[in-house]
Amino acid sequence: DTAVSQTPKYLVTQMGNDKSIKCEQNLGHDTMYWYKQDSKKFLKIMFSYNNKELIINETVPNRFSPKSPDKAHLNLHINSLELGDSAVYFCASSDRGGMNTEAFFGQGTRLTVV
Amino acid sequence: AQTVTQSQPEMSVQEAETVTLSCTYDTSESDYYLFWYKQPPSRQMILVIRQEAYKQQNATENRFSVNFQKAAKSFSLKISDSQLGDAAMYFCAYRSSQGGSEKLVFGKGTKLTVNP
Repeated sequence: DTAVSQTPKYLVTQMGNDKSIKCEQNLGHDTMYWYKQDSKKFLKIMFSYNNKELIINETVPNRFSPKSPDKAHLNLHINSLELGDSAVYFCASSDRGGMNTEAFFGQGTRLTVV
Repeated sequence: AQTVTQSQPEMSVQEAETVTLSCTYDTSESDYYLFWYKQPPSRQMILVIRQEAYKQQNATENRFSVNFQKAAKSFSLKISDSQLGDAAMYFCAYRSSQGGSEKLVFGKGTKLTVNP
């Protein structure tokens, strides 16, 4: 069973379109994240949710809207896609109050905007 | 704000040899966590090793060990007996212990090549 799974793995779309990436974790963690990895491999936090509540929003354009229907799911919706949005997007989860503090990552979604 | 610096964009090592990847960080906090993650070409982010700042003992995981120097804010990763499967991007990451700041702050990564 995959601990953190995100779909799709690859997404190719045209500028101006709206797309969503879904993420689910079965680890029982209470905190979920979205990270963006750019073409130079740099990873940066976008959002963090704890028990469905937005905790971190790192100066991300409001075209990006995360949604957490429950603590096991955190989806990312992107409106009016731009060329600069092309990147790999990682979902991750962790246990905020747990002994193990590391984040577990999904396999990433490579988004290509053409 | 915390920052993490990996000064070696690329490193190479011969199979079976030892290599050390450098990482320094900047923080005003006294309690925090440090991690090394590995990203092979498959893109999956894999935890290699974890260190709690309040623990003086350096963490080890089989062939992987760290040299944690808290005063110097240094957290290097040593890979012993390097294997071809160790070839990957390696990211050093910092995590605050303060509630509401659980995000990982990553360095820019070091690409490790293992030569047969």
